[in-house]
Amino acid sequence: NAGVTQTPKFRILKIGQSMTLQCTQDMNHNYMYWYRQDPGMGLKLIYYSVGAGITDKGEVPNGYNVSRSTTEDFPLRLELAAPSQTSVYFCASTATGLFDTIYFGEGSWLTVV
Amino acid sequence: AQKITQTQPGMFVQEKEAVTLDCTYDTSDPSYGLFWYKQPSSGEMIFLIYQGSYDQQNATEGRYSLNFQKARKSANLVISASQLGDSAMYFCAMREIDSSYKLIFGSGTRLLVRP
Repeated sequence: NAGVTQTPKFRILKIGQSMTLQCTQDMNHNYMYWYRQDPGMGLKLIYYSVGAGITDKGEVPNGYNVSRSTTEDFPLRLELAAPSQTSVYFCASTATGLFDTIYFGEGSWLTVV
Repeated sequence: AQKITQTQPGMFVQEKEAVTLDCTYDTSDPSYGLFWYKQPSSGEMIFLIYQGSYDQQNATEGRYSLNFQKARKSANLVISASQLGDSAMYFCAMREIDSSYKLIFGSGTRLLVRP
């Protein structure tokens, strides 16, 4: 199984550019999450989704947008990139139960210059 | 609203000794789950242990155990017989039903194991 796949792994953006981080899972999970992790810090929830067509804001949603048109895909869109968005981004997914294993992607390193 | 607090930014432990990493949480939901993750310098998130709010016993997984004190809202991770490979960041996290199963993380504790 591929699990949770994130692309790209590394990206350098210029200020004001836009891009989409892709996240795909092949486990038929309902719940998907996007986090950002600044150096030496914990993971902050950006957006999450409880199923296709349903998304909601997390702790730090400003500057980002998401969509969930299928169960498998949960792309994260950065509009008008700013240096403050330089971070490592993680996508994660899990099934419905409170105790279900949470699967993480390998992370996407984004630098905005 | 759910909240996770890790008050130890960094800790040292001697190889082969035990270490406790602190985690406190706040929630009004009676149904929640607590997780610990390890993040080595390579960056991946590694699941260590899970404790459910209704679990009567403290969770254990090999050298990892979770000291769950529900009334005090604490879920400390105990690592026994520390190894050099345990040097990493450790994160406590929580999910609760009332918040649509959002998974919220603490700020983490960096553990360094001394030979």
